[in-house]
Amino acid sequence: AQKITQTQPGMFVQEKEAVTLDCTYDTSDPSYGLFWYKQPSSGEMIFLIYQGSYDQQNATEGRYSLNFQKARKSANLVISASQLGDSAMYFCAMREGSGTYKYIFGTGTRLKVLA
Amino acid sequence: EAEVAQSPRYKITEKSQAVAFWCDPISGHATLYWYRQILGQGPELLVQFQDESVVDDSQLPKDRFSAERLKGVDSTLKIQPAELGDSAMYLCASSYTSGPTDTQYFGPGTRLTVL
Repeated sequence: AQKITQTQPGMFVQEKEAVTLDCTYDTSDPSYGLFWYKQPSSGEMIFLIYQGSYDQQNATEGRYSLNFQKARKSANLVISASQLGDSAMYFCAMREGSGTYKYIFGTGTRLKVLA
Repeated sequence: EAEVAQSPRYKITEKSQAVAFWCDPISGHATLYWYRQILGQGPELLVQFQDESVVDDSQLPKDRFSAERLKGVDSTLKIQPAELGDSAMYLCASSYTSGPTDTQYFGPGTRLTVL
Protein backbone atom coordinates (compact mmCIF):
# COMPACT_ATOMS: atom_id res chain seq x y z
CA ALA A 1 0.00 0.00 0.00
CA GLN A 2 1.18 3.50 -0.79
CA LYS A 3 2.28 5.33 2.31
CA ILE A 4 2.34 8.72 0.62
CA THR A 5 -0.23 9.56 -2.03
CA GLN A 6 -0.23 12.60 -4.26
CA THR A 7 -3.26 12.34 -6.52
CA GLN A 8 -2.61 15.38 -8.70
CA PRO A 9 -0.01 14.60 -11.36
CA GLY A 10 -0.30 18.14 -12.73
CA MET A 11 -1.75 21.46 -11.64
CA PHE A 12 -2.10 24.89 -13.20
CA VAL A 13 -2.45 28.15 -11.30
CA GLN A 14 -2.63 31.74 -12.39
CA GLU A 15 0.15 34.01 -11.21
CA LYS A 16 -0.66 35.71 -7.86
CA GLU A 17 -3.35 33.15 -7.06
CA ALA A 18 -3.15 30.57 -4.27
CA VAL A 19 -2.88 26.84 -4.97
CA THR A 20 -3.23 23.71 -2.83
CA LEU A 21 -1.26 20.56 -3.55
CA ASP A 22 -2.73 17.46 -1.98
CA CYS A 23 -0.93 14.82 0.04
CA THR A 24 -2.32 11.96 2.08
CA TYR A 25 -0.29 9.55 4.14
CA ASP A 26 -0.67 6.27 5.90
CA THR A 27 1.09 5.28 9.10
CA SER A 28 0.30 3.65 12.41
CA ASP A 29 3.32 5.22 14.06
CA PRO A 30 2.32 8.03 16.47
CA SER A 31 5.58 9.87 15.82
CA TYR A 32 6.31 11.00 12.29
CA GLY A 33 7.36 13.98 10.25
CA LEU A 34 5.87 15.33 7.06
CA PHE A 35 7.94 17.31 4.56
CA TRP A 36 7.44 19.12 1.29
CA TYR A 37 10.16 19.57 -1.28
CA LYS A 38 10.31 21.54 -4.52
CA GLN A 39 12.25 20.21 -7.49
CA PRO A 40 12.82 22.67 -10.35
CA SER A 41 13.84 21.44 -13.77
CA SER A 42 17.50 21.76 -12.73
CA GLY A 43 16.98 18.74 -10.49
CA GLU A 44 17.91 19.78 -6.98
CA MET A 45 15.43 19.03 -4.20
CA ILE A 46 14.69 22.14 -2.16
CA PHE A 47 13.23 21.75 1.32
CA LEU A 48 10.14 23.90 1.80
CA ILE A 49 8.31 23.08 4.99
CA TYR A 50 8.03 20.54 7.82
CA GLN A 51 5.18 19.40 10.08
CA GLY A 52 5.64 17.10 13.04
CA SER A 53 2.90 14.72 14.09
CA TYR A 54 2.72 16.28 17.55
CA ASP A 55 2.67 19.86 16.33
CA GLN A 56 -0.53 21.60 17.34
CA GLN A 57 -0.36 24.35 14.79
CA ASN A 58 -0.03 24.21 11.04
CA ALA A 59 3.46 24.99 9.81
CA THR A 60 4.11 28.15 7.80
CA GLU A 61 7.20 29.35 5.95
CA GLY A 62 6.74 32.57 4.06
CA ARG A 63 4.31 31.92 1.21
CA TYR A 64 4.14 28.21 2.07
CA SER A 65 1.78 26.74 4.63
CA LEU A 66 0.91 23.18 5.44
CA ASN A 67 -2.73 22.32 6.03
CA PHE A 68 -2.30 19.43 8.49
CA GLN A 69 -5.42 17.39 9.20
CA LYS A 70 -4.25 14.54 11.38
CA ALA A 71 -7.54 12.67 11.62
CA ARG A 72 -7.82 12.63 7.83
CA LYS A 73 -4.11 11.89 7.44
CA SER A 74 -3.63 14.72 5.03
CA ALA A 75 -0.83 17.27 4.76
CA ASN A 76 -1.66 19.59 1.91
CA LEU A 77 0.75 22.31 0.81
CA VAL A 78 -0.71 25.75 0.20
CA ILE A 79 1.27 28.23 -1.86
CA SER A 80 -0.06 31.76 -1.65
CA ALA A 81 0.50 34.48 -4.24
CA SER A 82 1.99 32.10 -6.82
CA GLN A 83 4.99 33.28 -8.79
CA LEU A 84 6.35 32.10 -12.13
CA GLY A 85 9.35 30.69 -10.29
CA ASP A 86 7.07 28.34 -8.38
CA SER A 87 6.70 26.22 -11.52
CA ALA A 88 8.30 22.90 -10.53
CA MET A 89 7.66 19.39 -9.26
CA TYR A 90 6.53 19.21 -5.65
CA PHE A 91 7.07 16.14 -3.52
CA CYS A 92 5.45 15.24 -0.24
CA ALA A 93 7.49 12.97 2.05
CA MET A 94 7.01 11.24 5.37
CA ARG A 95 9.47 10.01 7.92
CA GLU A 96 8.19 7.54 10.49
CA GLY A 97 9.46 7.45 14.04
CA SER A 98 10.58 3.84 14.07
CA GLY A 99 12.99 1.62 12.24
CA THR A 100 15.58 3.44 10.18
CA TYR A 101 13.41 6.57 9.89
CA LYS A 102 13.49 6.22 6.15
CA TYR A 103 11.95 8.98 4.08
CA ILE A 104 9.11 7.88 1.87
CA PHE A 105 8.30 10.13 -1.07
CA GLY A 106 5.14 10.55 -3.05
CA THR A 107 5.05 10.52 -6.82
CA GLY A 108 4.96 14.29 -7.05
CA THR A 109 2.76 17.01 -8.51
CA ARG A 110 3.94 19.15 -11.40
CA LEU A 111 2.84 22.75 -10.88
CA LYS A 112 2.74 25.23 -13.73
CA VAL A 113 2.20 28.89 -12.93
CA LEU A 114 0.62 30.85 -15.76
CA ALA A 115 1.39 34.51 -16.45
CA GLU B 1 24.72 28.81 3.95
CA ALA B 2 25.93 25.20 4.29
CA GLU B 3 25.17 22.95 1.35
CA VAL B 4 25.52 19.35 0.29
CA ALA B 5 28.11 19.08 -2.47
CA GLN B 6 27.99 16.50 -5.24
CA SER B 7 30.16 15.78 -8.23
CA PRO B 8 30.05 15.38 -11.10
CA ARG B 9 26.83 17.16 -12.00
CA TYR B 10 26.50 15.24 -15.24
CA LYS B 11 27.95 11.94 -16.35
CA ILE B 12 27.61 10.15 -19.66
CA THR B 13 28.99 6.65 -19.88
CA GLU B 14 28.67 3.55 -21.98
CA LYS B 15 27.11 0.40 -20.60
CA SER B 16 29.49 -1.98 -18.87
CA GLN B 17 31.71 0.90 -17.77
CA ALA B 18 32.28 1.86 -14.14
CA VAL B 19 31.05 5.17 -12.74
CA ALA B 20 31.49 6.85 -9.38
CA PHE B 21 29.70 9.70 -7.69
CA TRP B 22 30.94 11.75 -4.77
CA CYS B 23 29.02 13.51 -2.02
CA ASP B 24 30.13 15.83 0.78
CA PRO B 25 27.35 16.39 3.34
CA ILE B 26 26.71 19.48 5.41
CA SER B 27 29.33 19.74 8.12
CA GLY B 28 28.22 18.01 11.30
CA HIS B 29 25.52 15.92 9.66
CA ALA B 30 25.85 12.34 10.83
CA THR B 31 23.32 10.80 8.47
CA LEU B 32 23.92 10.57 4.73
CA TYR B 33 21.58 9.21 2.08
CA TRP B 34 21.91 8.22 -1.55
CA TYR B 35 18.78 8.26 -3.69
CA ARG B 36 18.02 7.31 -7.25
CA GLN B 37 15.33 9.23 -9.05
CA ILE B 38 13.99 8.03 -12.36
CA LEU B 39 12.43 10.72 -14.52
CA GLY B 40 8.85 11.41 -13.49
CA GLN B 41 9.09 9.55 -10.19
CA GLY B 42 9.92 10.35 -6.59
CA PRO B 43 13.36 9.60 -5.15
CA GLU B 44 14.03 6.05 -4.03
CA LEU B 45 16.45 5.44 -1.18
CA LEU B 46 19.46 3.34 -2.17
CA VAL B 47 21.54 3.51 0.98
CA GLN B 48 21.56 5.31 4.32
CA PHE B 49 24.63 5.85 6.48
CA GLN B 50 24.81 6.74 10.13
CA ASP B 51 28.37 8.04 10.48
CA GLU B 52 30.41 5.39 8.69
CA SER B 53 27.93 2.54 9.16
CA VAL B 54 25.28 1.43 6.70
CA VAL B 55 21.87 1.37 8.38
CA ASP B 56 19.73 0.64 5.32
CA ASP B 57 20.80 -0.69 1.94
CA SER B 58 17.79 -2.87 1.28
CA GLN B 59 17.12 -1.25 -2.12
CA LEU B 60 20.74 -1.14 -3.26
CA PRO B 61 21.43 -3.56 -6.17
CA LYS B 62 24.47 -5.02 -4.50
CA ASP B 63 25.62 -7.02 -7.52
CA ARG B 64 26.63 -3.80 -9.25
CA PHE B 65 26.27 -0.93 -6.76
CA SER B 66 28.51 -0.16 -3.82
CA ALA B 67 28.67 2.73 -1.40
CA GLU B 68 31.12 3.75 1.26
CA ARG B 69 31.60 6.46 3.82
CA LEU B 70 34.93 5.48 5.27
CA LYS B 71 35.57 8.33 7.70
CA GLY B 72 31.95 9.16 8.33
CA VAL B 73 32.13 12.36 6.31
CA ASP B 74 32.07 12.27 2.51
CA SER B 75 30.77 9.32 0.55
CA THR B 76 31.18 7.59 -2.79
CA LEU B 77 28.57 5.64 -4.74
CA LYS B 78 29.87 3.33 -7.43
CA ILE B 79 28.20 1.41 -10.23
CA GLN B 80 30.10 -1.36 -11.97
CA PRO B 81 29.14 -2.30 -14.61
CA ALA B 82 26.63 0.38 -15.60
CA GLU B 83 23.49 -0.74 -17.41
CA LEU B 84 21.07 1.20 -19.60
CA GLY B 85 18.45 1.11 -16.85
CA ASP B 86 20.77 2.98 -14.48
CA SER B 87 20.16 6.23 -16.34
CA ALA B 88 18.67 8.46 -13.66
CA MET B 89 19.36 11.32 -11.28
CA TYR B 90 21.43 10.31 -8.26
CA LEU B 91 20.76 12.51 -5.28
CA CYS B 92 22.72 12.74 -2.07
CA ALA B 93 21.19 14.16 1.09
CA SER B 94 22.22 14.64 4.69
CA SER B 95 20.59 15.30 8.02
CA TYR B 96 21.90 16.10 11.48
CA THR B 97 20.54 12.89 12.93
CA SER B 98 18.13 10.23 11.75
CA GLY B 99 15.12 11.07 13.89
CA PRO B 100 11.62 11.48 12.46
CA THR B 101 11.71 15.23 12.81
CA ASP B 102 15.06 15.70 11.17
CA THR B 103 15.06 17.47 7.83
CA GLN B 104 17.08 16.11 4.93
CA TYR B 105 18.94 18.57 2.77
CA PHE B 106 19.77 17.56 -0.76
CA GLY B 107 22.69 18.22 -3.03
CA PRO B 108 22.29 19.29 -6.67
CA GLY B 109 22.40 15.70 -7.91
CA THR B 110 24.31 13.82 -10.59
CA ARG B 111 22.44 13.17 -13.81
CA LEU B 112 23.68 9.87 -15.24
CA THR B 113 23.12 8.83 -18.83
CA VAL B 114 24.14 5.32 -19.85
CA LEU B 115 24.47 4.77 -23.62
